[in-house]
Amino acid sequence: AQSVTQPDIHITVSEGASLELRCNYSYGATPYLFWYVQSPGQGLQLLLKYFSGDTLVQGIKGFEAEFKRSQSSFNLRKPSVHWSDAAEYFCAVGSGFQTLVFGTGTRLLVSP
Amino acid sequence: EAGVAQSPRYKIIEKRQSVAFWCNPISGHATLYWYQQILGQGPKLLIQFQNNGVVDDSQLPKDRFSAERLKGVDSTLKIQPAKLEDSAVYLCASSLDGPYGYTFGSGTRLTVV
Repeated sequence: AQSVTQPDIHITVSEGASLELRCNYSYGATPYLFWYVQSPGQGLQLLLKYFSGDTLVQGIKGFEAEFKRSQSSFNLRKPSVHWSDAAEYFCAVGSGFQTLVFGTGTRLLVSP
Repeated sequence: EAGVAQSPRYKIIEKRQSVAFWCNPISGHATLYWYQQILGQGPKLLIQFQNNGVVDDSQLPKDRFSAERLKGVDSTLKIQPAKLEDSAVYLCASSLDGPYGYTFGSGTRLTVV
């Protein structure tokens, strides 16, 4: 069965510093991979997705992610974090008929 | 375009009571999903509808949870009777036919005391 691991429960980054959130997946075939962001009291917003092709994917809000098949990873990056990026981030893999399997999330804290 | 509407936003009930959540998807979206998000965990699929038919309900605890999508539009999710471990945010999402074109609602936060 498909699974997603996000090894970091919390990460604190200084405003203006770079960010990398880790995601590892388990899937037998070529995966469909996603990153979502969730602010308090809000639903999930899609940041970016990977289906095929270029392994470096650009998303909204200045985020990007790189698919590395050899490492079964899909890490999310941002070169310069803003205070408004503080939120919870979820990595997910597509499963079955258009359903998603999510990781446990990484809470990002941004320090001044 | 209007988003996915969910109500209520918050609900507090005692264990063994019943509760119902409502979801109105984006107009024209054929597929509707209910996910359960327990605090500290990622969302987990409960049930998926395609129009008014069930596609996947393998993770729905059918002894206490039920869901329906009448006329292929709105959907309700019911819990009867509720347990303490049902405390969670219940997220509804809808999508057009096509690869994972999800839009999530803001969710209903259920607290069972």
